[in-house]
Amino acid sequence: QEKVQQSPESLIVPEGAMSSLNCTFSNSASQSIWWYQQHPGKGPEALISIFSNGNKKEGRLTVYLNRASLHVSLHIRDSQPSDSAVYLCAVNNYAQGLTFGLGTRVSVFP
Amino acid sequence: EAAVTQSPRNKVAVTGGKVTLSCNQTNNHNNMYWYRQDTGHGLRLIHYSYGAGSTEKGDIPDGYKASRPSQENFSLILELATPSQTSVYFCASGDLYAEQFFGPGTRLTVL
Repeated sequence: QEKVQQSPESLIVPEGAMSSLNCTFSNSASQSIWWYQQHPGKGPEALISIFSNGNKKEGRLTVYLNRASLHVSLHIRDSQPSDSAVYLCAVNNYAQGLTFGLGTRVSVFP
Repeated sequence: EAAVTQSPRNKVAVTGGKVTLSCNQTNNHNNMYWYRQDTGHGLRLIHYSYGAGSTEKGDIPDGYKASRPSQENFSLILELATPSQTSVYFCASGDLYAEQFFGPGTRLTVL
């Protein structure tokens, strides 16, 4: 069964700084890797996904994937207080839905 | 815009009672999923469906049944609820390997 681990558990950053989140997974043959954002009392919302080795940039978000080291990272440039949320790394394994990590809680202070 | 709704939003049930959680999606997605979210365990897949009439077991199906009577609706059924099933339950829909769209969640408390 796929295992997904995230670090750090929590992150506190000042407004305008870079937030960097890490995720490791156990199956190099996994399909796409997703990052979801979850605010308190809400369902997760997809932010960005990556399938191929390398990086992908969308707005203030950049994700890096290295399948050889089973590692993916998410970087949020110019962090805003509205970015304060829990960020979930999820691995898509064929048709069986997503396997999630426990999340990183990000707090951005003004 | 993709829309997944869940009902009820909050539910208190008694041990041994039957609980049905409902989910509706207007995305016309073939796949639908039920997850539960608990502190220390994160989101875990209970059941999923490829389309009307199909249900499949996820990672933690014990104590749960699922029903997919139509493309739009997917239910999670607890025939004999136990306190260990107290959790927040999320329904999601999505195409294969694509983004999953989550509902707002149902908070279930089993006393």
